[in-house]
Order: sequence, then C-alpha cells, then structure tokens
Amino acid sequence: EAQVTQNPRYLITVTGKKLTVTCSQNMNHEYMSWYRQDPGLGLRQIYYSMNVEVTDKGDVPEGYKVSRKEKRNFPLILESPSPNQTSLYFCASSFGTGGILGYTFGSGTRLTVV
Amino acid sequence: KQEVTQIPAALSVPEGENLVLNCSFTDSAIYNLQWFRQDPGKGLTSLLLIQSSQREQTSGRLNASLDKSSGRSTLYIAASQPGDSATYLCAVKGETSGSRLTFGEGTQLTVNP
Repeated sequence: EAQVTQNPRYLITVTGKKLTVTCSQNMNHEYMSWYRQDPGLGLRQIYYSMNVEVTDKGDVPEGYKVSRKEKRNFPLILESPSPNQTSLYFCASSFGTGGILGYTFGSGTRLTVV
Repeated sequence: KQEVTQIPAALSVPEGENLVLNCSFTDSAIYNLQWFRQDPGKGLTSLLLIQSSQREQTSGRLNASLDKSSGRSTLYIAASQPGDSATYLCAVKGETSGSRLTFGEGTQLTVNP
C-alpha cells in the first residue's frame, strides 16, 4: 500500500530532551515536507526537501532540523524541544518537486512538550 | 500572500442530506486545489485533487468544483452518512508560493443518524 509512515504517533517529552520523529514513504516521491497543525493557525510548513540532500526552510523552521540522506526518509529533529512546539505534526510527500499531482500525508504525530 | 477561507467552520446535518462545503482563496494564480478529510487525532486523507485547468472532479458521492477566476471551490457531498463526520480541509498550491500548500482552517462536519 502506498503510504507515508510517521513514528511515533504520540510522544510526551520534557523540555530540552532531543527527539526525532521519523517519516518514511514507499512511493519513490522526490518531494517531502513537514507541517505542524495548531488550533487557530491551521497547518504551517516547517521544512521541505526537493530531493536527496536538498532541504529548505518553510514558514516556521525555528527550533527544528531535518535531513534527507535517503529518498524515502525525512526525519524531523527537535534538538531542544520547548513547550511551544507542542503540536500535531504531519509529514507529506509528492511526486516530482512541485506537488502537481497532489500530496500524500502521514497519520500524524501528536507531540507534547512539558 | 495567499489566504484560504472555509465557510462554514462547522456544520451539523441529518443523515441523507446533500451538502456543500465552501473554500475561497485570495490569489487565483494556483496550480491546483486539494480537498482533504481529517478524522479526530488522525492524518489527512486526500479526497480530490483539481488541477487549475479543470472545473471539477468526482469520486463516488463527492464532487469538487473549481472556479479559479473567482477564487472559489466547493465540495459537494451527496446523501451524507454518519461516517462522513470529520473535518474537511481545502489546500491550495499557488504558482508563487513555492512548494508549500496553503490550507484553510477547515469545516467540521457532523452527520447525525
């Protein structure tokens, strides 16, 4: 089944403890991206990657890092999480670099930072 | 800057009713518009993708239309069922917004048995 898989689905952590949220897609998509969803603010893009070793900032990149060493994986790294990063996170992928054929989203990771 | 608005924010209907969800966007220079469904605490499921050159797309009981020049899209759901209860999001990929999708806040739909 074609899908984007995120892990973990739920995570509670403490301020300052480094964490990684993994994202993997099995559709051979070039493009991958991370979004966060917050009440009243909707979904906002954090980082994106046009292809392997090519990443760029989205609208809200502060406090996050990403890497794209393999085409299928695009982990989101929070090196020193803070409570304002409590959110619902989504990974997405698409064919090509422009999303012309639409985007596939993962099931989400609900992160709570205390 | 592209802005996407969805009206209404919430909608409650009896089972079997036909309904329309609205999405408007401020910049008509778009590549495509995608409708998603989000169930509570879950991911986004793509429902329909309309390219800028298309007027509508259909999938089962769902029909989405696009009027690019007026900056509007509608999602029509026929013969609604309780299983249709979810939040429906529209997202626009703009020609000048890089790779990002611009999302609306969504319409929370409840279909009552």
